[in-house]
Amino acid sequence: DTAVSQTPKYLVTQMGNDKSIKCEQNLGHDTMYWYKQDSKKFLKIMFSYNNKELIINETVPNRFSPKSPDKAHLNLHINSLELGDSAVYFCASSQETGYNGYTFGSGTRLTVV
Amino acid sequence: QKEVEQDPGPLSVPEGAIVSLNCTYSNSAFQYFMWYRQYSRKGPELLMYTYSSGNKEDGRFTAQVDKSSKYISLFIRDSQPSDSATYLCAPNNAGNMLTFGGGTRLMVKP
Repeated sequence: DTAVSQTPKYLVTQMGNDKSIKCEQNLGHDTMYWYKQDSKKFLKIMFSYNNKELIINETVPNRFSPKSPDKAHLNLHINSLELGDSAVYFCASSQETGYNGYTFGSGTRLTVV
Repeated sequence: QKEVEQDPGPLSVPEGAIVSLNCTYSNSAFQYFMWYRQYSRKGPELLMYTYSSGNKEDGRFTAQVDKSSKYISLFIRDSQPSDSATYLCAPNNAGNMLTFGGGTRLMVKP
């Protein structure tokens, strides 16, 4: 039973399209995150969200928006995709922000052509 | 200067070797120190977690923190091919989002 699951696993799309990546966690965690991992394997925080607060990394373009229908889900919407958005996107969750470590999903490999 | 820095490697060692992976950070307020392991095409998984300075041992793995020099180490004894992965350090404060180093890729050859 997967703790943090992301769909789709792979996503190939054209520039200018709008796409969404879904994330669900069944751990009962309070906080969920989106990270972007570039080709050099550098993991960069994009968003942190619990039912009270959304924290946005100021470097994230506003074409990216998280949407949380409930505590167990945090989806990532991307508008007007660009070539530079190609990366692996990881969803994660934690019980308290940063204290006990995060549980990560297996990633969504996005390729923009 | 990045907040957390690691040598990207790759670090290639023979099976059975002792491996030393290192990480430096700039924020003196960090109190929690985590190591994540990431296999190819998988998400990172928490390997070890320590609080403040000192050592922590878990099987073949030892995490060492020196807050005075802002230096974190992970030692792997009797390394195995299954240890081949990228190792990410993540120093942190409780209540803040994790900031990761760029990771060190380790290859253990049979």
